[in-house]
Amino acid sequence: NAGVTQTPKFQVLKTGQSMTLQCAQDMNHNSMYWYRQDPGMGLRLIYYSASEGTTDKGEVPNGYNVSRLNKREFSLRLESAAPSQTSVYFCASSPTGGHYGYTFGSGTRLTVV
Amino acid sequence: ILNVEQSPQSLHVQEGDSTNFTCSFPSSNFYALHWYRWETAKSPEALFVMTLNGDEKKKGRISATLNTKEGYSYLYIKGSQPEDSATYLCAFITGTYKYIFGTGTRLKVLA
Repeated sequence: NAGVTQTPKFQVLKTGQSMTLQCAQDMNHNSMYWYRQDPGMGLRLIYYSASEGTTDKGEVPNGYNVSRLNKREFSLRLESAAPSQTSVYFCASSPTGGHYGYTFGSGTRLTVV
Repeated sequence: ILNVEQSPQSLHVQEGDSTNFTCSFPSSNFYALHWYRWETAKSPEALFVMTLNGDEKKKGRISATLNTKEGYSYLYIKGSQPEDSATYLCAFITGTYKYIFGTGTRLKVLA
């Protein structure tokens, strides 16, 4: 009953460091997403992958890169972390375009100092 | 810029009270509206998927209605319990991969 698994759960980075957030789903979903959650704002889409082999920018892609490694895994990379990237990051998946709702991971709380 | 607004931002109710809150969205380009329940330190869980004007959905003590012509959806909780305490999030879908979240209504049910 894993659903969507994200790692790590918490991370502290220094400005300029890089890191990769990992996400895997075991529901055979085609589409996967990365969102960030900031206080007072709704979840904002960073990148999504409609299907294996494709990725597209969302609302706030600057400073991030993604890789859809296979159907199960979708990673988010911060090449040079900035304090503005301090946020809670959620990975999600859906069978197709999200019309029938998302399944979310448990989130990664990232602090950039 | 499409905007999805939820009100109130937060509310406290007593155990046993019934309550409701609103999600407002643009009345054009409607495809679907979703409601999620988001407990602290957990991830959002889907409650309802609503696609037709006049839709009503129910899950236990929680129900939702949809008015696409005027651009709003109501979520109702009957006889609130402490375990209902969570943030209730709506998402407005205008097309494939066009998904806009509201900022949520934070509900606290006092025992």
